[in-house]
Amino acid sequence: KQEVTQIPAALSVPEGENLVLNCSFTDSAIYNLQWFRQDPGKGLTSLLLIQSSQREQTSGRLNASLDKSSGRSTLYIAASQPGDSATYLCAVGETSGSRLTFGEGTQLTVNP
Amino acid sequence: DTAVSQTPKYLVTQMGNDKSIKCEQNLGHDTMYWYKQDSKKFLKIMFSYNNKELIINETVPNRFSPKSPDKAHLNLHINSLELGDSAVYFCASSLLDEQYFGPGTRLTVT
Repeated sequence: KQEVTQIPAALSVPEGENLVLNCSFTDSAIYNLQWFRQDPGKGLTSLLLIQSSQREQTSGRLNASLDKSSGRSTLYIAASQPGDSATYLCAVGETSGSRLTFGEGTQLTVNP
Repeated sequence: DTAVSQTPKYLVTQMGNDKSIKCEQNLGHDTMYWYKQDSKKFLKIMFSYNNKELIINETVPNRFSPKSPDKAHLNLHINSLELGDSAVYFCASSLLDEQYFGPGTRLTVT
């Protein structure tokens, strides 16, 4: 049974800092990995999707890496802004169009 | 131009009642899902449909019954609501791999 862990559970940083969020999964036989952002009381916004054959994906100030063999992914946020404050969720997919198994999230606060 | 929409956004009801949550996607996706987010914010899959056919049915009470009248809609009906059903329910859809989520329905059972 796949288990996904995110560390740290909460993170508070000053504006402008670069930061890394960590995600680990127990079963390396994944199909893809998706990073989401969830604002309080809101739904999930997809940030990046990495296929199992890829090593990283980039979107603006976000960079997600995947090391499938070691069961790890990181989300790098450059030059953090107060608007980045949210909960960041990592989720792994087993096959195409299958369920996502989620981590418990990292709650990020960026202080102005 | 909403991609995945859910109604209602909030639902407050008493124990023992039956309620439904509706989900619609206008993305042309083939697969739709229901997830439950509990009080600790943990998200877990409940059901998945592909082209109106059930493909994932996690271990949820059979009081929960999904229905997909067409591939753009996936509704969730819950019978005999219990206190433990209080949570946020998210609908999602995907064409291939990337899943898109709706805004969620916060269900409170009193």
